[in-house]
Amino acid sequence: ILNVEQSPQSLHVQEGDSTNFTCSFPSSNFYALHWYRWETAKSPEALFVMTLNGDEKKKGRISATLNTKEGYSYLYIKGSQPEDSATYLCAFVYWNNNAGNMLTFGGGTRLMVKP
Amino acid sequence: GAGVSQSPRYKVAKRGQDVALRCDPISGHVSLFWYQQALGQGPEFLTYFQNEAQLDKSGLPSDRFFAERPEGSVSTLKIQRTQQEDSAVYLCASSLGLAGGGEQYFGPGTRLTVT
Repeated sequence: ILNVEQSPQSLHVQEGDSTNFTCSFPSSNFYALHWYRWETAKSPEALFVMTLNGDEKKKGRISATLNTKEGYSYLYIKGSQPEDSATYLCAFVYWNNNAGNMLTFGGGTRLMVKP
Repeated sequence: GAGVSQSPRYKVAKRGQDVALRCDPISGHVSLFWYQQALGQGPEFLTYFQNEAQLDKSGLPSDRFFAERPEGSVSTLKIQRTQQEDSAVYLCASSLGLAGGGEQYFGPGTRLTVT
């Protein structure tokens, strides 16, 4: 059983605050780490797919880092806005020889940004 | 362009009833996944199709769950004799290639409530 954990479970911040959350995953048989944003009543939206140790990706005010040797990834949001309110999910993909590597999700971090 | 669509968006079933959930993936996407998200948890893998072939059904929780993708495009997840523990959001995702860690595109989910 793969253990993917996210912390914190929920987070309340004020508009303009910067924030970050953590995803921890197994450090062996790593293939990829995905970050998704899921707003209520909408489809989960891919933010990043990360594959290389030390990788850092950025999309607007959101960035993510990856450490595959120690098994963690951080997601950062700079200057949070109310529209950033959502559940942020990380998902681990482990290497196997079969096609169709499914995503193993963490429990998510629910972010609420107050105006 | 059109994303992944799912229908119905909401389904209320009485315990013991059979239900069928539909997923229309992005046209041309080879891989299709089903996930189940129980309240307060991250999504969990149910099954994977590569075109019309169901290559992995290890996540299906019981033999009451059945999935098919007969022509390699639309997929149906069927749950027979629904139980209260089947209440969850059922997510479908598709990806272009053989899903070797690449981005998965999600539908909005079907929220199933079993009363």
